[in-house]
Amino acid sequence: AQSVTQLDSHVSVSEGTPVLLRCNYSSSYSPSLFWYVQHPNKGLQLLLKYTSAATLVKGINGFEAEFKKSETSFHLTKPSAHMSDAAEYFCVVTKGSGGSNYKLTFGKGTLLTVNP
Amino acid sequence: NAGVMQNPRHLVRRRGQEARLRCSPMKGHSHVYWYRQLPEEGLKFMVYLQKENIIDESGMPKERFSAEFPKEGPSILRIQQVVRGDSAAYFCASSPPGGLGYEQYFGPGTRLTVT
Repeated sequence: AQSVTQLDSHVSVSEGTPVLLRCNYSSSYSPSLFWYVQHPNKGLQLLLKYTSAATLVKGINGFEAEFKKSETSFHLTKPSAHMSDAAEYFCVVTKGSGGSNYKLTFGKGTLLTVNP
Repeated sequence: NAGVMQNPRHLVRRRGQEARLRCSPMKGHSHVYWYRQLPEEGLKFMVYLQKENIIDESGMPKERFSAEFPKEGPSILRIQQVVRGDSAAYFCASSPPGGLGYEQYFGPGTRLTVT
């Protein structure tokens, strides 16, 4: 069994300030973890993924996330927010390997607002 | 390379009608997944299909819902006799044959409203 908890439903930052979106997971297996972004009326876009290689993962648009097994966390960060980062962000967990790793388990999402 | 296509993007149905949602996977992809997003919830897995085969439908409601992915044409998610609780966003994803199951590419979703 696996689950994801996104600790904030809404995060508001000013342009140029750091972004932190928090995610904790629970998994009976060695997990693979992802962050997806959804802009209004668009499909989900993969930002980055952790699949048991380096624990600090770099993604697109300057985002990165660190897998911390001891804390069961996979927080998403960006040093400096841009207006175009305003969107909804989903943390996702699945089995790292083996059967049914296609069953992605999504968090409820964090809406990021960027103020000018 | 066009992404995953879904249509319609918005669908309004009265209670008791049927809803048909279509998904065309990315070119070369033969695996299709459907997810449902209820208001203020994360996406929930519904079904995994390959061409002409349902691989895993463990997330599908037992009644009124069905899915297919024929040899030719798009994948179809069909909801019969819709009820208000079916109002949600339905997302389709696809992945290539032989790829990692979790590397899924998502479409823009179909937003179903039941009145």
